[in-house]
Amino acid sequence: AQTVTQSQPEMSVQEAETVTLSCTYDTSENNYYLFWYKQPPSRQMILVIRQEAYKQQNATENRFSVNFQKAAKSFSLKISDSQLGDTAMYFCAFMRGDDKIIFGKGTRLHILP
Amino acid sequence: DAGVTQSPTHLIKTRGQQVTLRCSPKSGHDTVSWYQQALGQGPQFIFQYYEEEERQRGNFPDRFSGHQFPNYSSELNVNALLLGDSALYLCASSGLVNTEAFFGQGTRLTVV
Repeated sequence: AQTVTQSQPEMSVQEAETVTLSCTYDTSENNYYLFWYKQPPSRQMILVIRQEAYKQQNATENRFSVNFQKAAKSFSLKISDSQLGDTAMYFCAFMRGDDKIIFGKGTRLHILP
Repeated sequence: DAGVTQSPTHLIKTRGQQVTLRCSPKSGHDTVSWYQQALGQGPQFIFQYYEEEERQRGNFPDRFSGHQFPNYSSELNVNALLLGDSALYLCASSGLVNTEAFFGQGTRLTVV
C-alpha cells in the first residue's frame, strides 16, 4: 500500500523568506503522480504543483518548485519569496494512474509579517 | 465555470440519523470522488464514481454509500451517524485524463 509522510506538522517563516516543506512516500509503482495541495482556512483544496514520476525535470510554478528524488522517494516543496497569502495547510499527495489520491497529514505553514 | 460545488456547506445531525451530501462536478468532468477529512488530518478516500457506478472504495463501512446521476453529479449518504463521522467531506471531480482533481469547498458535518 502507498503511504505519504510529512514530518513537519507546523512551520513558521518570515515574509519574503524561502521555506521548504518535506515529503516522503512509499510505493512499488513506477508510474505515478505527486502533488502539493494548499488548503487555506476557506477549506478549498487548491492544487499548487504537480509532478509526473516519469519526468526527471522538477516541476516549477512561479514561486513554487519541487525537488523530486525518485530513488529516495522524496518530494519536497520550496516556496520562494513567501507571502502572507501562502499561510495555509499544505498536503503532499500521491496518485497512481486513474486512482484515488493518498494524502499526507499536512504541514501547517505560517507566514509572519 | 462554477467549478466543483457542494451542498450544504454546514450540517448538524444527531447520532443515529442519516445524512445526504451533494456534489456537482466541474463542467466536462465525469468522475467524482469523495473524501473524509477529520480535524487536523489529511483527507481519506471514501469512494469514487464513474459512469454511475462505484469504481473503487476506500476503507469505510457500508454505512457510507453513494450514487452518481446521469448528469455526473453525486451524493454521499451516511446512515446511523456516529460522533466519529464528524468531519469535513470533500468532493473532487476529474475528467478523462485524470491527472488533476478539482475539489469543492466541502461540507462540514457535525454529529452531536
